[in-house]
Amino acid sequence: DTGVSQDPRHKITKRGQNVTFRCDPISEHNRLYWYRQTLGQGPEFLTYFQNEAQLEKSRLLSDRFSAERPKGSFSTLEIQRTEQGDSAMYLCASTPGQGEDTQYFGPGTRLTVL
Amino acid sequence: GESVGLHLPTLSVQEGDNSIINCAYSNSASDYFIWYKQESGKGPQFIIDIRSNMDKRQGQRVTVLLNKTVKHLSLQIAATQPGDSAVYFCAAWNYGGSQGNLIFGKGTKLSVKP
Repeated sequence: DTGVSQDPRHKITKRGQNVTFRCDPISEHNRLYWYRQTLGQGPEFLTYFQNEAQLEKSRLLSDRFSAERPKGSFSTLEIQRTEQGDSAMYLCASTPGQGEDTQYFGPGTRLTVL
Repeated sequence: GESVGLHLPTLSVQEGDNSIINCAYSNSASDYFIWYKQESGKGPQFIIDIRSNMDKRQGQRVTVLLNKTVKHLSLQIAATQPGDSAVYFCAAWNYGGSQGNLIFGKGTKLSVKP
């Protein structure tokens, strides 16, 4: 257990529904990252926060995706109008510092879109 | 940008033997690398990291070697145990974005035969 928690661990939804995932990073970690991982692939970067500021978004993050970290602690990732192609593991990671640093991952949220 | 790839998608070893997992990266400017272990249904777990000012780093039963000339790194696991069975990812710090993030390879699945 790295200390990064994610909720829920599994989510099954129907196409077109909205879903929201939560990530609680290690306490006092400034940076929080979201990744998506599909079967047989490594994690792919989606976005990250430095405290409450969202500093970078990947082009993978379509306009149906939105992420927040309102108080610089936990973060949420929302997917609107889900599509079957959104089915994946959504991983959150946190790191204490800035720039290059070890990222500690949570257990992930497995999303299945029917 | 950076791209990271592993040489073999699967590796099968006998319990007690040493394992070597290889990885190549494309961006000669990358200067921080991490190896992660991911068990089924879990998030990636940090194993060991190395910065480009080193060519070797050792941990408990693991060694990472970095060859900057050919842009290659490897993870060596000594006396492989059944508990080492997992997918192993190498990740390189990417400076393609404004702040940088980790780029992961596809992973090598290590199977340990008793």
